[in-house]
Amino acid sequence: GAGVSQSPSNKVTEKGKDVELRCDPISGHTALYWYRQRLGQGLEFLIYFQGNSAPDKSGLPSDRFSAERTGESVSTLTIQRTQQEDSAVYLCASSIDYREADTGELFFGEGSRLTVL
Amino acid sequence: KQEVTQIPAALSVPEGENLVLNCSFTDSAIYNLQWFRQDPGKGLTSLLLIQSSQREQTSGRLNASLDKSSGRSTLYIAASQPGDSATYLCAVHSSNTGKLIFGQGTTLQVKP
Repeated sequence: GAGVSQSPSNKVTEKGKDVELRCDPISGHTALYWYRQRLGQGLEFLIYFQGNSAPDKSGLPSDRFSAERTGESVSTLTIQRTQQEDSAVYLCASSIDYREADTGELFFGEGSRLTVL
Repeated sequence: KQEVTQIPAALSVPEGENLVLNCSFTDSAIYNLQWFRQDPGKGLTSLLLIQSSQREQTSGRLNASLDKSSGRSTLYIAASQPGDSATYLCAVHSSNTGKLIFGQGTTLQVKP
């Protein structure tokens, strides 16, 4: 696609429900990143994928958070048993493999705004 | 652990002024440094990417420099315009961890 696409753009859910957020990266981008941005705050690193593998999952806030990527393309961030503190904008970004192409410019989607009531 | 700091947190200038935004990082083992712009309620737009072997990059009225040894980068905006009002974020791509770590941003307001 032309850019990074995220869905849904807005999600309102009740506390305790599970949610799935989807990210479609730019075609051919092997690196994919998830960030969380709470209202008025900076970007908090969650996880990144190189291909379908996640070398470092230490940024995930708790075991209620998980992410996967398939076909070196679409990624899904799943939040189980949502809590009010999970309310935030979840941003996805992709890039060419910076180790090979020596570029690594990151392109972001518009984000998924999650509100937990 | 890589930490990225941006100063100032907020800046208000009259239209036409030249200005400098600062970014510092604690670990010089980086692949690259990238400057972004974020408008309220929007995602991030890439402005400039500086590879670790480069000293600066320019795009229009924007110039970004990188001094890896001292852990510093600056974003220079010439002849500022009200449309430049946004939050500017710098991010460092750590070569030790592969993570891209962001600063907290500088919120710029350019008054007409």
